[in-house]
Amino acid sequence: GAVVSQHPSRVICKSGTSVKIECRSLDFQATTMFWYRQFPKQSLMLMATSNEGSKATYEQGVEKDKFLINHASLTLSTLTVTSAHPEDSSFYICSASRFGASGNTIYFGEGSWLTVV
Amino acid sequence: GESVGLHLPTLSVQEGDNSIINCAYSNSASDYFIWYKQESGKGPQFIIDIRSNMDKRQGQRVTVLLNKTVKHLSLQIAATQPGDSAVYFCAEKEMGPGAQKLVFGQGTRLTINP
Repeated sequence: GAVVSQHPSRVICKSGTSVKIECRSLDFQATTMFWYRQFPKQSLMLMATSNEGSKATYEQGVEKDKFLINHASLTLSTLTVTSAHPEDSSFYICSASRFGASGNTIYFGEGSWLTVV
Repeated sequence: GESVGLHLPTLSVQEGDNSIINCAYSNSASDYFIWYKQESGKGPQFIIDIRSNMDKRQGQRVTVLLNKTVKHLSLQIAATQPGDSAVYFCAEKEMGPGAQKLVFGQGTRLTINP
């Protein structure tokens, strides 16, 4: 079964509103999670690294004030798209690293489709 | 055959044939590589990984080859099945303490013809 869960899987919002996407690690603690964005027929683009208890690290070109990331607990990171516009419509995917004896394993969520109308 | 589309390169193979998907990576410091399969509307699914101290690793029906000299990675899928149709991505990252970020390649759409 899934070890990283995203919610909602699909969301439609009006232009100018904000929408929050959750990423949860289900049976492990994740001090670091990653947020990706994927436009149709394109690859996954890393947006930011979400760090539990501290500020997220954003990739170049990603507006931190538009894509707010909160990692308040060891099992939950949230991505809030503020003042959404149609061009923000995309597939948003999170991943979490699970540390084990053999190193760390990366698990991906099932993604969240955002449509801004 | 293989063609480059506007975004994703595509590869079409006959069911039962072997397929080879290629990937060029950019970071010389990357020492861990993963191949993912992504079906439409879903998150990436782990297929196989390889560390930089290896040049070949085999799984069930899949083999990954790594050529660090030319920074090239390939995924071979043997005896392709209809369920193999998907988009395949290579990803790279640097090993070490902590959770380094994973950077994805362009991706290739694999289509299996009956």
